[in-house]
Formats: sequence, structure tokens, C-alpha cells
Amino acid sequence: DAMVIQNPRYQVTQFGKPVTLSCSQTLNHNVMYWYQQKSSQAPKLLFHYYDKDFNNEADTPDNFQSRRPNTSFCFLDIRSPGLGDAAMYLCATSSGSLEQYFGPGTRLTVT
Amino acid sequence: AQSVSQHNHHVILSEAASLELGCNYSYGGTVNLFWYVQYPGQHLQLLLKYLSGDPLVKGIKGFEAEFIKSKFSFNLRKPSVQWSDTAEYFCAVSRNSGNTPLVFGKGTRLSVIA
Repeated sequence: DAMVIQNPRYQVTQFGKPVTLSCSQTLNHNVMYWYQQKSSQAPKLLFHYYDKDFNNEADTPDNFQSRRPNTSFCFLDIRSPGLGDAAMYLCATSSGSLEQYFGPGTRLTVT
Repeated sequence: AQSVSQHNHHVILSEAASLELGCNYSYGGTVNLFWYVQYPGQHLQLLLKYLSGDPLVKGIKGFEAEFIKSKFSFNLRKPSVQWSDTAEYFCAVSRNSGNTPLVFGKGTRLSVIA
């Protein structure tokens, strides 16, 4: 089935140790998003790619970077994770501004 | 800036009770409207959407929502809830033009008790 896949599902990293989360999609959607979701809160948009155009939200910390090497894959790099970065990270895709399809998320723990 | 308000943070209902969750948005132009559901431990899933046409939209699992443009609202309803409807519900809005990502409300947690 066409879907949004995130790896790993659970990631544990040490304070300050860089970590990369990955997302892939088989929907051939042109837009890919990264969200941060903390417990009992709404997903918070970090950035999104519209095709190859990168769009960063104004309040996304510089600590967070993203790469989209091709249509199917998108990566979230956290250069120096802090304790406050522990969260669920959600990847989503869409075709234009229509509904988004979400992956299962990667739960990041920072020790 | 666009914003979405969900006024109920936590709603507790008995099984078979009727449900209405409020959602209001601030953008004055043409919008796309969505309700997403997140069951415990699961990922966000689309419940229903309004893009254009009939303002009363029906979604999965017996849910429906009504877009009232004059009130900037898109309330979610279900006539009779079940225990399995226990979840977090998020309203989301995007502008119906170009590349505009979703803006989510803060969510409403629904607990259905037997």
C-alpha cells in the first residue's frame, strides 16, 4: 500500500549527539513536512519542502535542519539535541494544499 | 496570521451520548478544512475534510462536520459516540491557494466512558 514510512520508530540519543530521522513516501506527493509533537499538544510545523523549495518556520530552532535528496525521501537532522527536543517527530506528505498523510512518527528520547 | 481555536481541551462523554467539538479559524479567505483523529499510540488519520461544495461533510466512523462560513466554524459531530472513539481530535485549516501548510488547533481529548 502507498504510505509514509518513518525510521526508526524509536530513537534514543545522548544530549548533544547529532541524530538523523528519516521519512520516505510512496505517494509521489510533491510536499513533505516535518512536525514536532509533544505530549498532548498539537503538531508543530518545523519546516516543509514544496518540491525542492525549502520553507522554514520562523520559530524553528537552528538546531534543526532538513534535507530532501529526492521526491521520496526527506531527513530531519538535529545537530545537538537537548532535553527539550525529546518529542514525537512526524513526517507528512501532501499534494499541494490538500490533506496531509502522516507517518507513524519517530519517538525521540534524549538522555 | 492564521489561527485555529478548539475551545474544548478535554471532553468526557458516556457511550451513546452525542458529540460536538468546536473549531473556529481566523483566516478570511477561501480555506480547506480538516479534522484529524489520533487514537492512543497511533498516528494522525484524516477523519473528514471540506474543500468546496456541500458544507455538510461526512467522514469515517459516523462523524460529520458542518462548515459555516459566516461563523468561521467547522464543528465536528457524531450522534452517538462509542468507547472506541476515545482519542485526540485536531481541527486543521489551510488556505485554498498555492503552497500553504496546515495550521492545527491545539486538539480536544475525547474520553468515552462506559
